[in-house]
Amino acid sequence: AQTVTQSQPEMSVQEAETVTLSCTYDTSESDYYLFWYKQPPSRQMILVIRQEAYKQQNATENRFSVNFQKAAKSFSLKISDSQLGDAAMYFCAYRSPGGSQGNLIFGKGTKLSVKP
Amino acid sequence: DAGVTQSPTHLIKTRGQQVTLRCSPKSGHDTVSWYQQALGQGPQFIFQYYEEEERQRGNFPDRFSGHQFPNYSSELNVNALLLGDSALYLCASSLGRNSGNTIYFGEGSWLTVV
Repeated sequence: AQTVTQSQPEMSVQEAETVTLSCTYDTSESDYYLFWYKQPPSRQMILVIRQEAYKQQNATENRFSVNFQKAAKSFSLKISDSQLGDAAMYFCAYRSPGGSQGNLIFGKGTKLSVKP
Repeated sequence: DAGVTQSPTHLIKTRGQQVTLRCSPKSGHDTVSWYQQALGQGPQFIFQYYEEEERQRGNFPDRFSGHQFPNYSSELNVNALLLGDSALYLCASSLGRNSGNTIYFGEGSWLTVV
């Protein structure tokens, strides 16, 4: 079974600086999807960025980028120019390919604080 | 464009009671999944509904059941509530079951069992 591990329960960053959140996963599949979701106090899970395992190029979305290391099964999220609104829980998630395995497998999350 | 909506937002139930949570998927979405998020944990998959049938199920007992209606909305039912069922219940929707499709979440229903 696939597992997702986030080893940093809490992280802190100064406003305007850069922070990297770590995620590792375990799978025997060669093709899959990886995601970072943000959960602010409003509790709604918001998709930050996604990565298809078959794509070697790291995904980027404005200030958010990932470092996808397939061989190491590592998927870290880098937030540049951190803003106060980035403060939230961040969850790394894995999804198998194929329609029969539609569920997301989440890590336990990292709580990010942004200091003004 | 309405996103995923859930009701109620908060509720308190007594051990042994039954509860029904409701979800309306994002407009145009036909696939609904439910997740349980205990305090301090990541969400855990309960089950997925597509074409009004349960298509996939996580490691949850039969006390957890669901339904999907012809308009794609969904209900989650939990019978014989236990204290450990206290959690945030998240509904998620997508268009189709393709794993590449983006999944959108609602704000959740917070259930407290006393």
